[in-house]
Amino acid sequence: ILNVEQSPQSLHVQEGDSTNFTCSFPSSNFYALHWYRWETAKSPEALFVMTLNGDEKKKGRISATLNTKEGYSYLYIKGSQPEDSATYLCAFWMDSSYKLIFGSGTRLLVRP
Amino acid sequence: DVKVTQSSRYLVKRTGEKVFLECVQDMDHENMFWYRQDPGLGLRLIYFSYDVKMKEKGDIPEGYSVSREKKERFSLILESASTNQTSMYLCASSLGGQGGYTFGSGTRLTVV
Repeated sequence: ILNVEQSPQSLHVQEGDSTNFTCSFPSSNFYALHWYRWETAKSPEALFVMTLNGDEKKKGRISATLNTKEGYSYLYIKGSQPEDSATYLCAFWMDSSYKLIFGSGTRLLVRP
Repeated sequence: DVKVTQSSRYLVKRTGEKVFLECVQDMDHENMFWYRQDPGLGLRLIYFSYDVKMKEKGDIPEGYSVSREKKERFSLILESASTNQTSMYLCASSLGGQGGYTFGSGTRLTVV
């Protein structure tokens, strides 16, 4: 059974704090690693698709890094804002597969 | 604006009813997926399809079937709804492993 683990499960921070979460995935048969943001009452929205070891991606105040050899990815949010409050999902795509395997997410709450 | 559209946002059905959840995408994507999301369990794959009339079981296919007669439409069928199928159901589509998923807004199904 392939497992994708995310930590922490939930996180409460103050507005302006920077924060980061971890996604761990199998280091063999790697094809791609996805990050999604899922706000309440909305659809999950793709943030990043990462494919190469050492990849770093950035979108505004959010960035992500990827280490395929050791099987982890970090998502960073700089200067958190209340609108960043959401569940952040990572998902692993195994080589020769048609599907993503999702972690259970990190739920972020940013207090004003 | 590209979209994945799920036919109902909220549904209430009785135990034993046959339930159809419809999903339509307008992006000409080959791959379509049905997930359910339950608290603490993340997104679990029920079925997916990588081509018209093709379907593959996901991790939790029991009690469900699917239909993909046209590329843009992927239907999830609960043959005889049970209370343990009360959940949030999400449909998604993708072009391939290195492209992000596009999700529908979800159907919250309650079986009473």
